[in-house]
Amino acid sequence: ELKVEQNPLFLSMQEGKNYTIYCNYSTTSDRLYWYRQDPGKSLESLFVLLSNGAVKQEGRLMASLDTKARLSTLHITAAVHDLSATYFCAVTMWYRDDKIIFGKGTRLHILP
Amino acid sequence: SAVISQKPSRDICQRGTSLTIQCQVDSQVTMMFWYRQQPGQSLTLIATANQGSEATYESGFVIDKFPISRPNLTFSTLTVSNLSPEDSSIYLCSAPFGPNAGYTFGSGTRLTVV
Repeated sequence: ELKVEQNPLFLSMQEGKNYTIYCNYSTTSDRLYWYRQDPGKSLESLFVLLSNGAVKQEGRLMASLDTKARLSTLHITAAVHDLSATYFCAVTMWYRDDKIIFGKGTRLHILP
Repeated sequence: SAVISQKPSRDICQRGTSLTIQCQVDSQVTMMFWYRQQPGQSLTLIATANQGSEATYESGFVIDKFPISRPNLTFSTLTVSNLSPEDSSIYLCSAPFGPNAGYTFGSGTRLTVV
């Protein structure tokens, strides 16, 4: 059974600081996703990571994937308050109809 | 990018009744997925809806409680039947749009059972 683990589950940090969210998954997968969810809103796609060593950046967020370690990271650089949200990683079970399984999410609170 | 229109956005329902949630996609997709998100929690997959065949349900979810229809490649409905307060959650539909694209989600339906 595919399991996706994120840590930390809650992160409170000061503006201007850097931090990393980690996502581990238990079995082989071919795609990893990062999503953002604001309170009361749906999910917004941030990154799609398709291969080992993939790195994508958008603004202050950078995501990477190590398929051998079954690990993805979401790095936040010089955090700003607008990045406060819940971040989910998700992995596809390509051998089971492409359904995606989500981690528990990391609730990020950035203090001004 | 693809758009999924989901409705209703929210509803308050009486115990014992049912609610049907609709998702309309602006392009054809083979599979659609239905998720439940309980307050402060992650997303749990309810079922996969394929056009032309019965939905595939995840462990802990049954067709009698969560019947799904998929009449064509752009539309699906999820019914939450015989409602109880434990069904109060956000329900979301989703679909993939190509191997390099993320999965797009509907805007969600916030269900409160009283």
